Amino acid sequence: EDQVTQSPEALRLQEGESSSLNCSYTVSGLRGLFWYRQDPGKGPEFLFTLYSAGEEKEKERLKATLTKKESFLHITAPKPEDSATYLCAVLSPAGAGSYQLTFGKGTKLSVIP
Amino acid sequence: SAVISQKPSRDICQRGTSLTIQCQVDSQVTMMFWYRQQPGQSLTLIATANQGSEATYESGFVIDKFPISRPNLTFSTLTVSNMSPEDSSIYLCSVEGTDTYEQYFGPGTRLTVT
Repeated sequence: EDQVTQSPEALRLQEGESSSLNCSYTVSGLRGLFWYRQDPGKGPEFLFTLYSAGEEKEKERLKATLTKKESFLHITAPKPEDSATYLCAVLSPAGAGSYQLTFGKGTKLSVIP
Repeated sequence: SAVISQKPSRDICQRGTSLTIQCQVDSQVTMMFWYRQQPGQSLTLIATANQGSEATYESGFVIDKFPISRPNLTFSTLTVSNMSPEDSSIYLCSVEGTDTYEQYFGPGTRLTVT
């Protein structure tokens, strides 16, 4: 069974204090890893897709990296508006040509001014 | 990416009643997905809805409890039947990106059952 574990569960940062969120996974045949941002009362917002180990993607203050066992979401000089829950999900084969998406529980990031 | 809307955005319901949640997409899509997000838990896939065929349910979810309709390529409904407080959750619909596997989500429906 595919498993996705995100750590820490919650992270409190001062504005400008860079840090990283971790997503470790155990899957049978990774086809892709996704990062989402979710604000309170809203649906998840797609951020990045990573397909293979060594791949990196960047968007503003966020940079996602991927290894064979985990992914990191690096946040550089965060601002209060970066406060949200960050979700990680992995895509793997589910048989008969279909795929399944398994989500982690998320990391709740709070950036204090 | 597709623009997805859901109705209602939230509701408070009595136990034993049913609620139908609507999901509308601004473009035609083959597959639509329904998820449940319980407090402190990860998103859990309830079912996949293809237009013109029966929905495919994940383990632990049954059609009698969560009937789904998919009348066309831009619309789907999820009904939560005979509700109990354990059904209190956020329900989300999503669609896949064009030629990619990432999913795009609607704003969610927050359901509270009393």
